[in-house]
Formats: sequence, structure tokens, C-alpha cells
Amino acid sequence: DSGVTQTPKHLITATGQRVTLRCSPRSGDLSVYWYQQSLDQGLQFLIQYYNGEERAKGNILERFSAQQFPDLHSELNLSSLELGDSALYFCASSVATNSYNEQFFGPGTRLTVL
Amino acid sequence: QKEVEQDPGPLSVPEGAIVSLNCTYSNSAFQYFMWYRQYSRKGPELLMYTYSSGNKEDGRFTAQVDKSSKYISLFIRDSQPSDSATYLCASLSGGYNKLIFGAGTRLAVHP
Repeated sequence: DSGVTQTPKHLITATGQRVTLRCSPRSGDLSVYWYQQSLDQGLQFLIQYYNGEERAKGNILERFSAQQFPDLHSELNLSSLELGDSALYFCASSVATNSYNEQFFGPGTRLTVL
Repeated sequence: QKEVEQDPGPLSVPEGAIVSLNCTYSNSAFQYFMWYRQYSRKGPELLMYTYSSGNKEDGRFTAQVDKSSKYISLFIRDSQPSDSATYLCASLSGGYNKLIFGAGTRLAVHP
């Protein structure tokens, strides 16, 4: 158990809908990362927050957004969902971001868009 | 071209075999290189990381980086059925923020 929690574990929804994925980082970790894992694209970095502020952006679609709250938990919002958004979404956390720190991954949320 | 390339396999070996997993990368600015293991329906977990070129050993696992050829390797000695998983190589980009992953190699170790 990495100490990173993600809810829900599974999510099934329809095209055009909006969903929110939640992540709680390990105790003491200030940095949260979101990744998407799909069969065709593999594991891809989406976005990073550090202590409430956005720090880095990857291949995140404009329909997706994220935020990190004062208690350091983070939410990833996916809107106008398409079939191709079906994937595993992982959250990871690390202590800091000014040097190498291990990123600990949560168990993931499996999103199915029908 | 992807920044980190990895043969997805699958790779099937008998128990006790030496396994060699490999990746190549294109960005010469990469300095940190990782190997993650991912069991089915679980999140990736860090096996080892190395900084710059060289070898690093941890039990049955050895990670090797050759920056001159932009080649990353992971060797597993005396492989066990419990090693059956997907192995992902990765490198850090954008400072210390973004992990760039290879496609992952699915390994099956059969008794």
C-alpha cells in the first residue's frame, strides 16, 4: 500500500457526461501528479500540483481540469466525456519538487465511457 | 518518435532465468532513470532509480544506464513467478516534475 488513496475505484458513465476523480496524497506529501494509462497511449503525465499551485502540465485535454485543495487532496475533473477517455487514471504524490523525490502511485480509478 | 521507447513484449521465461528488459530514450537532457513494476489492476511501484550513467544493484535486480547510447536496462536474476508483471522504464522531464514512461514490457515467469 503506497499510502495514496483514490476514489472511486471504478466509474462507468456515458458520453457527454462529467466526472470527478479524487486523490488523497501520502501524509506529508505536498506534490500531486495525475497520469492517464490507456492501451494505445500507455502511461502519460497529465498535470502536477504543488501545495495548491499548478506546477507542470502534460498532455492534458482542455476538457480536463484539476485542482489541489488546502488539505492537499486533489480532484481531476473530466467533462464532455468521449469513448476515448476510457482509461485508468492514476494519482501519484511526492514530498517535494525541487530535487528527485520518489513518486508514489495510488491504485487508480478505472473510467469506462459507454 | 516517443521520448522513451520500450518493447511491449510479452516476454515469457522459465523460473530461474535471467531476464533482460531494455529501453531507449531520445532526450540527452534526461538525468534520472527509473524502473517501475506494475501488477495487474494495481498502480506502478518504483523498483529502482539511477542517476546519470552506471549500474545499481538491489538484490536480484540490476539497473544499468548508458548515456552514450541512450540505453536503459533492467536485469532480473533468478526470476520467480512473483516477478510476473509489467515493467515500465521512465525518465524525469521538466525539472523534477514529469515522468515520461515507456510502453511497458509484460513479463511472465512460468514455474
